[in-house]
Amino acid sequence: SQTIHQWPATLVQPVGSPLSLECTVEGTSNPNLYWYRQAAGRGLQLLFYSVGIGQISSEVPQNLSASRPQDRQFILSSKKLLLSDSGFYLCAWSRDMNTEAFFGQGTRLTVV
Amino acid sequence: GEDVEQSLFLSVREGDSSVINCTYTDSSSTYLYWYKQEPGAGLQLLTYIFSNMDMKQDQRLTVLLNKKDKHLSLRIADTQTGDSAIYFCAERPGSDAGNMLTFGGGTRLMVKP
Repeated sequence: SQTIHQWPATLVQPVGSPLSLECTVEGTSNPNLYWYRQAAGRGLQLLFYSVGIGQISSEVPQNLSASRPQDRQFILSSKKLLLSDSGFYLCAWSRDMNTEAFFGQGTRLTVV
Repeated sequence: GEDVEQSLFLSVREGDSSVINCTYTDSSSTYLYWYKQEPGAGLQLLTYIFSNMDMKQDQRLTVLLNKKDKHLSLRIADTQTGDSAIYFCAERPGSDAGNMLTFGGGTRLMVKP
């Protein structure tokens, strides 16, 4: 069966520090991968998606970047965090363009 | 762009039925989904419906789709305290935008014992 792992579960970082959140998927190959952000009291916003290794599409301009160094690994990064980067970050995967997405447990990021 | 709207809160008593509503604007939506998010956790896919269906039932869950009005609802029968969570409606557009879901803001369901 397929599983998705996301870590860390919680993170507190000072403003201006770098960020690296990692997500890996097991049990499938060549998945579509996604990073979503959920700001407090709001819905989910798609940040990045990837349909293959090294292929990243950004949905919104921001202080964050994403990379996909391996088929089942998706990394969310920032060189310098802003206070507004605080939120709940969710990684997700899907088999292809016509199937549902499955989510990781999320990372709660607090920038102080 | 696409827009998905949900009411923020719903409060029901244990044993009653809950109905969570969602409206969307993209008439080319192909699939519509309901996800459940428990406190501090990720999203769990509950059920989905293809846009050419009117209804789908899965145990205590019933999804109704009115494509003409672009209205989707999730009915939970015999609601339990364990059903307390935030429920997100999501739609997949039928355009070439890819496999990106557009989510509503979530409805917080509170179940009173």
